[in-house]
Amino acid sequence: DSGVTQTPKHLITATGQRVTLRCSPRSGDLSVYWYQQSLDQGLQFLIHYYNGEERAKGNILERFSAQQFPDLHSELNLSSLELGDSALYFCASSLTGVRNTEAFFGQGTRLTVV
Amino acid sequence: AQRVTQPEKLLSVFKGAPVELKCNYSYSGSPELFWYVQYSRQRLQLLLRHISRESIKGFTADLNKGETSFHLKKPFAQEEDSAMYYCALSGSDKLIFGTGTRLQVFP
Repeated sequence: DSGVTQTPKHLITATGQRVTLRCSPRSGDLSVYWYQQSLDQGLQFLIHYYNGEERAKGNILERFSAQQFPDLHSELNLSSLELGDSALYFCASSLTGVRNTEAFFGQGTRLTVV
Repeated sequence: AQRVTQPEKLLSVFKGAPVELKCNYSYSGSPELFWYVQYSRQRLQLLLRHISRESIKGFTADLNKGETSFHLKKPFAQEEDSAMYYCALSGSDKLIFGTGTRLQVFP
């Protein structure tokens, strides 16, 4: 167990709906990263938050948004869902936002859009 | 732009054979490279990082800035090495991963 908790583990929803994925980082970690893993796509970087502030964005769709709260947990909001959004969504946390810091991963949330 | 390329989706070897998982990167600054591994039914976890220059579970990786590569090597593969391996690059507040290589080690 890495100490990073993601909820829910599985989520099935319909097209057009909105969902919220939650990530609780390891105790003391200030950084949270979100990734999307689709079939054969590897881990696509979405966004990085450090101590409540957005630090970097990847190929995150405008329909997606995230935030990190004062208690350092993070939420990824996905709206107007499409079939192609079905994927495994991972979050990871690290102690700091500086480089060469080990990232610890959650077990992922599997989102299925029907 | 940051980019990590792992050209092989699957690498199959027999136990005791040498292994090399390829990773090439693109980054304009000074790169920091990692290898992460995901064993069956486990979470993605760090295997090694270039700055440590260490050997973990018999694996080593050398950063070659001239060839922009960070290949993962092991002289004698073991069955327990079977897993998904991801090369990653850290820079500009992003941690970017390659598409991964599945290593299968047959007995």
